[in-house]
Amino acid sequence: GEDVEQSLFLSVREGDSSVINCTYTDSSSTYLYWYKQEPGAGLQLLTYIFSNMDMKQDQRLTVLLNKKDKHLSLRIADTQTGDSAIYFCAESVSGNTPLVFGKGTRLSVIA
Amino acid sequence: DGGITQSPKYLFRKEGQNVTLSCEQNLNHDAMYWYRQDPGQGLRLIYYSQIVNDFQKGDIAEGYSVSREKKESFPLTVTSAQKNPTAFYLCASSAPLYEQFFGPGTRLTVL
Repeated sequence: GEDVEQSLFLSVREGDSSVINCTYTDSSSTYLYWYKQEPGAGLQLLTYIFSNMDMKQDQRLTVLLNKKDKHLSLRIADTQTGDSAIYFCAESVSGNTPLVFGKGTRLSVIA
Repeated sequence: DGGITQSPKYLFRKEGQNVTLSCEQNLNHDAMYWYRQDPGQGLRLIYYSQIVNDFQKGDIAEGYSVSREKKESFPLTVTSAQKNPTAFYLCASSAPLYEQFFGPGTRLTVL
C-alpha cells in the first residue's frame, strides 16, 4: 500500500537552515505537500509541488523532488523560533482525493 | 471570510455515548474529509465525500458514521462501537486541482 516516511525529530540553531526529508512509495503520486502544525491547531499548507517539477522555491522555503528515488525535501532558510512545529509530508494521486501523510517531523529551533 | 469551521473545539464523551462533531465550509468545495490524529502519529483517513449524498470509507472507518446532505456540511458521529475514540479530529475540504484546507480540529476525550 501507500506509505510516507519521515524522520521524527530535527533540532537546529536559530539562523541555520533546516532540511526535512520524506520518502514515499506510490509512484502514481501527482501532488506532494508540506503542511505545518503548531500545538493544538489544525494543519497549515506551506507549499506543494507537482510530480513533473524538480524544485519549487517560495521565500524561505525550497522543495526538492527526486521522483526516481521518491524523495522529497523541505529546506527552511534562516530558521526562526517561530518555525518550531511539526511538519507533515503528504501525497495524493490527484488534487481532489484523500492525502496519505507521514508521521510528521518535530522541528525544534534553539535560540 | 472563507474557511472551514469545526465545533466544538473540545468534546468529552462518556463510555457508551454517541457524539457528533461538526464541520462546515464556505469555500464551495466539492470534497470533504475526516482525519484522525493520535499523539506521535500522522493523520489517518476516516471517511471522505467527493459529492453531496455520497461518501467513502477510509482506512479506519469502523465505529464512525458520516452524512453529506449539504455541500457545506460533513458531520462525523463517533459511535459507542469506537473503542478508543480519544484523539484529535481534523476536517478538510478541497476542490479539483486544488490543495486541501484544514479546519482547526476537535479534541475528543473519553471520560
